[in-house]
Amino acid sequence: QVQLQQSGPGLVKPSQILSLTCVISGDSVSSKSASWNWIRQSPSRGLEWLGRTYYRSKWYNDYAVSVKSRIAINPDTSKNQFSLQLNSVTPEDTAVYYCARSSGFPDVWGKGTTVTVSS
Amino acid sequence: QSVLTQPPSVSAAPGQKVTISCSGSSSNIGKNSVSWYQQVPGTAPKLLIYENNKRPSGIPDRFSGSRSGTSATLGITGLQTGDEADYYCGTWDSSLSAWEFGGGTKLTVL
Repeated sequence: QVQLQQSGPGLVKPSQILSLTCVISGDSVSSKSASWNWIRQSPSRGLEWLGRTYYRSKWYNDYAVSVKSRIAINPDTSKNQFSLQLNSVTPEDTAVYYCARSSGFPDVWGKGTTVTVSS
Repeated sequence: QSVLTQPPSVSAAPGQKVTISCSGSSSNIGKNSVSWYQQVPGTAPKLLIYENNKRPSGIPDRFSGSRSGTSATLGITGLQTGDEADYYCGTWDSSLSAWEFGGGTKLTVL
């Protein structure tokens, strides 16, 4: 049974970096049949896919256009986890952030981390 | 504004049937499979339907999905009060190279 455990700060100051980690159990970040995604949800933007990382003989990333200039999603094979880094945050980035596995569609989700951007 | 369009709300009485539509375009629903999610407030979305009409283990057959052209539909029969939740459709958009979600539909069981 695949489980995803999220961690990271719930409060980030404007212009700083939002960093979250998602630890995988029951699967491998290096799986050749899955991708590892970050998705956020806010009342104003609904569910918004941010991006993914996946391994197919080498590592690939895809990012949403809305955040492409300031996002990085990185795997850590030694810890079987992946991370989200979102730079230069503003109050618009306040949301619940979810990590999720995709096997062609997001099928396993973390419990979510509420992140507030405020000074 | 979402690439996939859902009605904001639907309602029906217990025991009745309801359908939720999801309208897209040739670059998303017209080309790729659709999945559906149920979200109870305060919890993460839960996969209900994948690849247009398949149910994961543990999802009752009261839930069904279909796709035709650039639209998809979620059907729920034998409505129960426990079905009250927000429902989202999702699919890959080949033009945007991004996963897209609908705006969500709030189901009320009267």
